[in-house]
Amino acid sequence: NAGVTQTPKFQVLKTGQSMTLQCAQDMNHEYMSWYRQDPGMGLRLIHYSVGAGITDQGEVPNGYNVSRSTTEDFPLRLLSAAPSQTSVYFCASSYRQGIGTQYFGPGTRLLVL
Amino acid sequence: AQKVTQAQTEISVVEKEDVTLDCVYETRDTTYYLFWYKQPPSGELVFLIRRNSFDEQNEISGRYSWNFQKSTSSFNFTITASQVVDSAVYFCALSEPSSGSARQLTFGSGTQLTVLP
Repeated sequence: NAGVTQTPKFQVLKTGQSMTLQCAQDMNHEYMSWYRQDPGMGLRLIHYSVGAGITDQGEVPNGYNVSRSTTEDFPLRLLSAAPSQTSVYFCASSYRQGIGTQYFGPGTRLLVL
Repeated sequence: AQKVTQAQTEISVVEKEDVTLDCVYETRDTTYYLFWYKQPPSGELVFLIRRNSFDEQNEISGRYSWNFQKSTSSFNFTITASQVVDSAVYFCALSEPSSGSARQLTFGSGTQLTVLP
């Protein structure tokens, strides 16, 4: 099993550009989520999904969109990148919301100029 | 109020010393889960342990041990005979499945552990 994979590992964007961060898992997990990690603030939940076709907002959803068309994939879209979105983004999955252990991908480091 | 507090921002020890990382949590739920994750300098988040609220037994795994005390709402992590490879940021996290909140996994702000040779 590859576990949770994320692409790209690193990305530089200009303000106003859009992009999609990819996340995939091969563990047949129901629950997937996106976090951002900023210095001194731990990890904060952006969006999450409890299954294909079901998504919901987390703590810091503004400026991001998600969709979940399959169990395996959970892409995160930045609609119009802003410098405040410079961060490290982690995707995670677990077999069930709130109960299962969340396993994290390797992260995507995003720099918005 | 912060739900997961890791008061120690940075800790520095010399190799072979024991070190304890503190975690204090806050919840009104009777069913909850506590986790520890390790983030080495390479940046990935590595799962270490999961403990549910009904199991207060201490856990030992090699040089790692965890002390869960509901009476003090603490879930502390001890590394015995620390090694340079233990240098990392350690996060404590809380999951409240029945909260209905979007904050399904709440992280502390992390403790940077540096083990000096």
